[in-house]
Amino acid sequence: QQPVQSPQAVILREGEDAVINCSSSKALYSVHWYRQKHGEAPVFLMILLKGGEQKGHDKISASFNEKKQQSSLYLTASQLSYSGTYFCGTGKETSYDKVIFGPGTSLSVIP
Amino acid sequence: KAGVTQTPRYLIKTRGQQVTLSCSPISGHRSVSWYQQTPGQGLQFLFEYFSETQRNKGNFPGRFSGRQFSNSRSEMNVSTLELGDSALYLCASSQGWTGANTEAFFGQGTRLTVV
Repeated sequence: QQPVQSPQAVILREGEDAVINCSSSKALYSVHWYRQKHGEAPVFLMILLKGGEQKGHDKISASFNEKKQQSSLYLTASQLSYSGTYFCGTGKETSYDKVIFGPGTSLSVIP
Repeated sequence: KAGVTQTPRYLIKTRGQQVTLSCSPISGHRSVSWYQQTPGQGLQFLFEYFSETQRNKGNFPGRFSGRQFSNSRSEMNVSTLELGDSALYLCASSQGWTGANTEAFFGQGTRLTVV
């Protein structure tokens, strides 16, 4: 039931763009994105809901394709501060289910 | 506003022992979730408590248990520790259910090492 994330790891130069994908074999109600910097707690980025509503970060965007049960996180003009591990979490059909997180995508931004 | 506080930050235990970890959520938050984080496995869901009731449970053996008190503070207990239990244990609090489209706030975690 754990969502699949791709790529597992990516290295970018400052200013480059990246896309992180998250997919599930189950129908999704919501997708949650978090970023964890090394040695720190995960921090909330965004929630995407079935039906198109989004809540979250101003500088990071994401999409949610309900039919394909996929979400993508778009990081544009990356900054050094974007480095970290990105986790997607998926909530199933009902809003009362737990959030299951994927294994994470390690993103490193270099000068 | 104080964040999520987990104690202790670090623990070293011997196989066969038991351990209790504590989590104090953000004031006003009624939901506390626990996750186990190991390299390559991401955040593995353990359980979620809401208003003192366990609402969801992950696929962990019965050695892992938890509870939530009336002030929303939560404890997690692991009995008969195994080497494989070595991990970072994170707790997250939110105003509503974690799955109910609410932002979760994570604590710094407790690093448990079983030797």
